[in-house]
Amino acid sequence: EAGVTQFPSHSVIEKGQTVTLRCDPISGHDNLYWYRRVMGKEIKFLLHFVKESKQDESGMPNNRFLAERTGGTYSTLKVQPAELEDSGVYFCASSQAGRGSLYNEQFFGPGTRLTVL
Amino acid sequence: GQQLNQSPQSMFIQEGEDVSMNCTSSSIFNTWLWYKQDPGEGPVLLIALYKAGELTSNGRLTAQFGITRKDSFLNISASIPSDVGIYFCAGQLSGGFKTIFGAGTRLFVKA
Repeated sequence: EAGVTQFPSHSVIEKGQTVTLRCDPISGHDNLYWYRRVMGKEIKFLLHFVKESKQDESGMPNNRFLAERTGGTYSTLKVQPAELEDSGVYFCASSQAGRGSLYNEQFFGPGTRLTVL
Repeated sequence: GQQLNQSPQSMFIQEGEDVSMNCTSSSIFNTWLWYKQDPGEGPVLLIALYKAGELTSNGRLTAQFGITRKDSFLNISASIPSDVGIYFCAGQLSGGFKTIFGAGTRLFVKA
């Protein structure tokens, strides 16, 4: 079974440009998450989708970031316009369990390394 | 917001040595998790802890959920070169969706 995939693996853009990251979760996983790790720091939660609905977007830094999950399958994260501090590794994760489960394991993709120059 | 303080930041050890790393928080968590990240990969779950005081093993790995629910440690016994990577602690509140991560412990193992 395929794991979580992310595209692209690397992206180098200039400040002010737009970048769109894509995540394909494990098939059948309703929950999809975006995280970001700035170099040397913690992996920080950005948001959580349940199917196509945003369940928790408390970690989104500002309105330059837009996440979508049309149809409840793959998700995109767009940064427009990109700033220098947006550089980092963006991880996507997915999980199967619904609310009320003791634990739902989140499976992570390999990440997209974004560099803003 | 919730923050996890993970230490040490990095460790350089000899193959065969035991390793210990820990995580503390000012907030209470319902679940503690330990992940490992290999270069070019995403984090992979090693151990999940659900109850205060719980001690869980997974091969050479042992982790404990602190009794106060505000801390956890991970031990690796008899380290081997493939243990190299970044280890992250993480906590979850009830519901188990949003996950708060520590900054990671980078482990280097010399053969």
